[in-house]
Amino acid sequence: SQTIHQWPATLVQPVGSPLSLECTVEGTSNPNLYWYRQAAGRGLQLLFYSVGIGQISSEVPQNLSASRPQDRQFILSSKKLLLSDSGFYLCAWTPGTYEQYFGPGTRLTVT
Amino acid sequence: GENVEQHPSTLSVQEGDSAVIKCTYSDSASNYFPWYKQELGKRPQLIIDIRSNVGEKKDQRIAVTLNKTAKHFSLHITETQPEDSAVYFCAATGGFKTIFGAGTRLFVKA
Repeated sequence: SQTIHQWPATLVQPVGSPLSLECTVEGTSNPNLYWYRQAAGRGLQLLFYSVGIGQISSEVPQNLSASRPQDRQFILSSKKLLLSDSGFYLCAWTPGTYEQYFGPGTRLTVT
Repeated sequence: GENVEQHPSTLSVQEGDSAVIKCTYSDSASNYFPWYKQELGKRPQLIIDIRSNVGEKKDQRIAVTLNKTAKHFSLHITETQPEDSAVYFCAATGGFKTIFGAGTRLFVKA
């Protein structure tokens, strides 16, 4: 069966520091991968999606970037965090264009 | 751009009553409409979905209806229970992108 992992689970970072969040999927090949951000008490904002290695589509212009160095690995990065980057970051995968399955999430607090 | 509107933002019902959450979408290319339940501090979990070639789908106490002409879809929960209390999100998928509604916080009072 398929499993999706995210780490770290929680993170507290100062403003201006870099960020690297990792997502990996097991038990499948060539998944579509997604990064979402959820601010406290809010909905899910699509940040990036990828349909293959090295293929990244950005939905929201901001100080974040994404990379997909391997088929089942998706990384979210920032060179300098802002206070507004705080939130719950969720990685998701789908085998096609339908059901999406979410990882456990990373709760990021920027101080 | 694509948009999904969800109403109400908060819904409080008595245990055993029904709950209805409504969504509208803007992208006519959307062809898949999932609903997710998110408990506090946890990941969203898919609870039911419907594809554009179907008007209604039911799974025990949960049902979803879709009106493609009006670009409306709704979630119906019957015989609500306290464990149904959570935030519910609708979404619309077209191609590789899924756009989520803002969520409905459902409270079921015992």
